[in-house]
Amino acid sequence: DTEVTQTPKHLVMGMTNKKSLKCEQHMGHRAMYWYKQKAKKPPELMFVYSYEKLSINESVPSRFSPECPNSSLLNLHLHALQPEDSALYLCASSQTLAGRRGDTQYFGPGTRLTVL
Amino acid sequence: GNSVTQMEGPVTLSEEAFLTINCTYTATGYPSLFWYVQYPGEGLQLLLKATKADDKGSNKGFEATYRKETTSFHLEKGSVQVSDSAVYFCALNPGTALIFGKGTTLSVSS
Repeated sequence: DTEVTQTPKHLVMGMTNKKSLKCEQHMGHRAMYWYKQKAKKPPELMFVYSYEKLSINESVPSRFSPECPNSSLLNLHLHALQPEDSALYLCASSQTLAGRRGDTQYFGPGTRLTVL
Repeated sequence: GNSVTQMEGPVTLSEEAFLTINCTYTATGYPSLFWYVQYPGEGLQLLLKATKADDKGSNKGFEATYRKETTSFHLEKGSVQVSDSAVYFCALNPGTALIFGKGTTLSVSS
């Protein structure tokens, strides 16, 4: 089983709202990722967690706040977003973060976020 | 540095035509190479991968060979179907996070 689940599938929020995206995997993977994807573009890396610790933050604005409560769960807390933050947010996981040749990232279906 | 260049398309083909999507890469070391596919309204699905030179990845009739001498990982399929219409991303893993090409949109008509 190579399934990564994400909820919700769609989210519409105002600029003053606080919401959270959730990602879950049960493959025993120890690396988890958040990506942002705009239409007709490749995914852009936002955050990487390795063994539940934040390993990479690609200079993402503080209105995005990641959290990794345990090895299976990854959250992305959203606050005071801007309309330009509207995008598809993808979660992914892999066995480990660095080095092991062939480590494959498996992606979830994404959350389509619209900020009004 | 590490980078991926792929033909951007769109690529428009008739059903049963032969498909090639070119992908070349620049990398330090020996990264793993991947092709991901994204169907409309969905996330990315792993299509195939190769972890070392001369490896051939294959899945669902798609193939790609890791060519170190030409730094390429071109995607091919002998006979495309309408259901193959999607965006295809070439990517490399240098040991941290994935580095993607810009994506190639494939449209197959019956």
